[in-house]
Amino acid sequence: NAGVTQTPKFQVLKTGQSMTLQCAQDMNHEYMSWYRQDPGMGLRLIHYSVGAGITDQGEVPNGYNVSRSTTEDFPLRLLSAAPSQTSVYFCASSYLGDLGGYTFGSGTRLTVV
Amino acid sequence: SQQGEEDPQALSIQEGENATMNCSYKTSINNLQWYRQNSGRGLVHLILIRSNEREKHSGRLRVTLDTSKKSSSLLITASRAADTASYFCATDTGGTSYGKLTFGQGTILTVHP
Repeated sequence: NAGVTQTPKFQVLKTGQSMTLQCAQDMNHEYMSWYRQDPGMGLRLIHYSVGAGITDQGEVPNGYNVSRSTTEDFPLRLLSAAPSQTSVYFCASSYLGDLGGYTFGSGTRLTVV
Repeated sequence: SQQGEEDPQALSIQEGENATMNCSYKTSINNLQWYRQNSGRGLVHLILIRSNEREKHSGRLRVTLDTSKKSSSLLITASRAADTASYFCATDTGGTSYGKLTFGQGTILTVHP
């Protein structure tokens, strides 16, 4: 049981480049979300999904795009990378209605130069 | 602004001592959760307490919730060096935000051997 898998673990982008951060879970969780973690800011919600075909914005959605074509995958797309998007990105999943808490991936450390 | 605010921001103790971290929040919640994050890793779910519960135990962890004061505390008894990590509280406000967690900025706990 792999849990939540994020790839890549590290990435360096140039300003203006685009890329996709991958997130996959094998627990059949309905709920998936993306957070970014910056020093002193805690975790902030970027986008989330309550099931395949359903996505919604979180607290800091600008500059990011998501889709949820399957239950397992929830990729995060950076449309035109900016230095302000330098951060550590975490994907998390859970069952809807299951009060067992989120399962987090190990994170993607992104640097935009 | 953050829904959850942890206090203190940093805590340094000796092995064997108890560690207490506090979390305050601003709006009504469905449940409150605590997570641990080891350096450079993803978050790990520790314990969840529902809004109608006042206290919950899990091993060396004890969580209390006071909804009238909008606050929670996490007590780790008989701390070990391996407990060194950042600890985050997260609130689920339920309703239309069901499943969405808002995280505080965390408490950095250092346990000295």
